[in-house]
Amino acid sequence: DAKTTQPTSMDCAEGRAANLPCNHSTISGNEYVYWYRQIHSQGPQYIIHGLKNNETNEMASLIITEDRKSSTLILPHATLRDTAVYYCIVRVPYNFNKFYFGSGTKLNVKP
Amino acid sequence: EAEVAQSPRYKITEKSQAVAFWCDPISGHATLYWYRQILGQGPELLVQFQDESVVDDSQLPKDRFSAERLKGVDSTLKIQPAELGDSAMYLCASSSRGGRTSSYNEQFFGPGTRLTVL
Repeated sequence: DAKTTQPTSMDCAEGRAANLPCNHSTISGNEYVYWYRQIHSQGPQYIIHGLKNNETNEMASLIITEDRKSSTLILPHATLRDTAVYYCIVRVPYNFNKFYFGSGTKLNVKP
Repeated sequence: EAEVAQSPRYKITEKSQAVAFWCDPISGHATLYWYRQILGQGPELLVQFQDESVVDDSQLPKDRFSAERLKGVDSTLKIQPAELGDSAMYLCASSSRGGRTSSYNEQFFGPGTRLTVL
């Protein structure tokens, strides 16, 4: 099962773009990349997912490299409410939608 | 907006006691997950149900943990006896019947139950 590697923590100034990297060098061709975030003492919240192409929604953008070995989650204009732990997850589609969470990146958005 | 419900939100117990957590998934969601999250770590899957059947309980400590989803709707996770190392957040999540090859199968998480074992 593909594992992910993320930096332990990152800082970002309020109003600036936050770019959160993730390495998933052992990802297989049919495995999706999902991003979730967890605000303190709450359950994780879905942000975005992708397979090969870059994706964008109202919350964020997901950039996946051509070889699919890494990806970057972009929060275009970070706010203080974006302070959270961000998890990059590789979903195994043939295994009943199983998610493997790593330790995530703690994003600190500062005023 | 539909949400996953969990109760209780907080539970304090003494070691060797029994505890139980309840989860009510989003209506119509066939798949239900129980995760354990130790402070500072990501969630770890304990057990996964498809309707009323267990499809994965490989990480569930079966000597003390049990889980059931009798009618394929709500679920209960039980620990007996509780140990100090069981102190953690217990998260429940659900997803729709996306199947093995679905391209989109978001898991919706509840607020969790924080367990403290003294």
